[in-house]
Amino acid sequence: AQSVTQPDIHITVSEGASLELRCNYSYGATPYLFWYVQSPGQGLQLLLKYFSGDTLVQGIKGFEAEFKRSQSSFNLRKPSVHWSDAAEYFCAVGLTSGTYKYIFGTGTRLKVLA
Amino acid sequence: DAGITQSPRHKVTETGTPVTLRCHQTENHRYMYWYRQDPGHGLRLIHYSYGVKDTDKGEVSDGYSVSRSKTEDFLLTLESATSSQTSVYFCAISDGDSYEQYFGPGTRLTVT
Repeated sequence: AQSVTQPDIHITVSEGASLELRCNYSYGATPYLFWYVQSPGQGLQLLLKYFSGDTLVQGIKGFEAEFKRSQSSFNLRKPSVHWSDAAEYFCAVGLTSGTYKYIFGTGTRLKVLA
Repeated sequence: DAGITQSPRHKVTETGTPVTLRCHQTENHRYMYWYRQDPGHGLRLIHYSYGVKDTDKGEVSDGYSVSRSKTEDFLLTLESATSSQTSVYFCAISDGDSYEQYFGPGTRLTVT
């Protein structure tokens, strides 16, 4: 079955600290992978995506993610977190079946301590 | 930002009443999606459309119907609202080729 798991519901980090948000997926074909961010009361904004090629992808706002096929993971990282990064983060798998549908993880809420 | 609007942005309705949510896009994208967002569940696909008059069910379609008579509009209807349909509803669009989805601002629906 196709699924996306974000094992951490909440994460708290201090401003300036590094961040890693975990995402594991289950999908039979080569996945298209995405990270979105949702600020409180807002819609979702695309941070970055992976389709193929270099397994380390750079996104907006200083985020990066690494695709590891052997671990079925696509973890999101940022070397130094800013207070404005406090938000909810969603990992998604794009189904390569011609419908362009996504399966979303349940999200990780990030809190940043000043 | 992608041109996506949702209306209304907030709605309170009573159990058993019909409700229609509207998603409007100015990007001429072929694909449109309706999701609901609930704590602990992330976003779950309700219905999607791959063209005018072409729609299909998502994973949580029971109790919902959709229509798309024009490229720019995708309507989500709750025929008889229930308290379990209290949620935040998001519309998204995609041109398909990029696989990227762009999201609207959401509609918060409360069914009392």
